[in-house]
Amino acid sequence: GAGVSQSPSNKVTEKGKDVELRCDPISGHTALYWYRQRLGQGLEFLIYFQGNSAPDKSGLPSDRFSAERTGESVSTLTIQRTQQEDSAVYLCASSLIAGESYEQYFGPGTRLTVT
Amino acid sequence: GIQVEQSPPDLILQEGANSTLRCNFSDSVNNLQWFHQNPWGQLINLFYIPSGTKQNGRLSATTVATERYSLLYISSSQTTDSGVYFCAVELGQAGTALIFGKGTTLSVSS
Repeated sequence: GAGVSQSPSNKVTEKGKDVELRCDPISGHTALYWYRQRLGQGLEFLIYFQGNSAPDKSGLPSDRFSAERTGESVSTLTIQRTQQEDSAVYLCASSLIAGESYEQYFGPGTRLTVT
Repeated sequence: GIQVEQSPPDLILQEGANSTLRCNFSDSVNNLQWFHQNPWGQLINLFYIPSGTKQNGRLSATTVATERYSLLYISSSQTTDSGVYFCAVELGQAGTALIFGKGTTLSVSS
């Protein structure tokens, strides 16, 4: 079946502009996660959704970052007034919270470059 | 917060060699996953292994939750095994955020 998809795959934007990143989770997966990976680094957690609610927003680095999920499906991560330090790969994951398995599956990521 | 430490940070192997990657974590965790990030950046699920031992082809993993470590074994390495291997653990209620280690970068030469 189809995996997690993300769009765009690459985004170049000027400092100060707003950007929207999209994630389509695996169909039927109830949980959705956003992570950020800076060049040569591990992944850092940003936010996760259970259904359309976000119980944990603790990883969002500033109030310029926000995310929403609708229809227990697609999610959008929005970064306002982008800064150069926002340049990174933004990865989305989803999982089916059922039984005893909570394995997360990742999309290919969106590479964001702020110039 | 919880610390996830992976060792070694870098590993260079000749094709056909075996290797062991280690992940230590500083607190009790609900779940643990191993990933391989290929040179194109895609994270590939290797094992979902909160405890016990699993095997998949040339790869196997063991997690000893009571002693707070997990091991990933790669046997008869191939050049396609090159990339970064990440260990990630889950705190608190299951189904929440994964905390990633910094990874082990593996290079396999022919």
